[in-house]
Amino acid sequence: AQSVTQLGSHVSVSEGALVLLRCNYSSSVPPYLFWYVQYPNQGLQLLLKYTSAATLVKGINGFEAEFKKSETSFHLTKPSAHMSDAAEYFCAGPNTGNQFYFGTGTSLTVIP
Amino acid sequence: GAVVSQHPSRVICKSGTSVKIECRSLDFQATTMFWYRQFPKQSLMLMATSNEGSKATYEQGVEKDKFLINHASLTLSTLTVTSAHPEDSSFYICSARDRVGETQYFGPGTRLLVL
Repeated sequence: AQSVTQLGSHVSVSEGALVLLRCNYSSSVPPYLFWYVQYPNQGLQLLLKYTSAATLVKGINGFEAEFKKSETSFHLTKPSAHMSDAAEYFCAGPNTGNQFYFGTGTSLTVIP
Repeated sequence: GAVVSQHPSRVICKSGTSVKIECRSLDFQATTMFWYRQFPKQSLMLMATSNEGSKATYEQGVEKDKFLINHASLTLSTLTVTSAHPEDSSFYICSARDRVGETQYFGPGTRLLVL
C-alpha cells in the first residue's frame, strides 16, 4: 500500500532560519503529492501540490517542495521562517478509492 | 476558489442527543466528499467516503449507524452523530474532491463536545 512518512514529529527553528520538513513516499512513484498546513483548531489548507509537471513546486506563503525520485522524497522548505508559520504540516498522497493517505504530521515551532 | 465550509464550527451537546454537521463546497461541485476525525496532536483518520447520490463507504471500525452520512447534492454532505456519547467528542473535518480528482479541499472543522 502507498504511504508517506514524515520524519520528525516536532521541528523547531529560529525566526528567519531555513525551514525543512521531511516527507518520503513509499512504493511506486505517486502521480501527485501534497503538503497541507493546519493552524490550531482549523481545517487543512493546501500549501502546494506536485503533479509530475515539474519537480520543484512553489506554494503559498513562500513554501516550496522538491520531488526527488532518487530519494523518494518530497521535502518542504522555506528560506526564512516567520512566526506565523508555526503550525502542523501534513504530507499526503493518493490512495485507492480516491482517498488520501496522510503522514503523521510535523509540528513546526518558530522561536523568536 | 475551492472553498469548503462546515457548520457548525463548534457544538456542545448532552449525551444521548444527535448532532448534524454540514459540509458544503461553495464554489465547485464535489462528487466525492470525505469525513475525517482528528484526535489531539494526531493525524486525520478517515471515517467515510461520501458519494453524491449513493451510500457512503465507511472505513473499518466506523459504525455506519452511529455516524450517518448523507450526500444529497453535489455541494452538500452531512454527518449526523447519533446518540452522541462523551467518547464521540472530537474534531471532525470534511473535505471535498474537485472534479479533476486530484486535490482535496478541507473544511475548517467542527469541534464536538459531548457532555
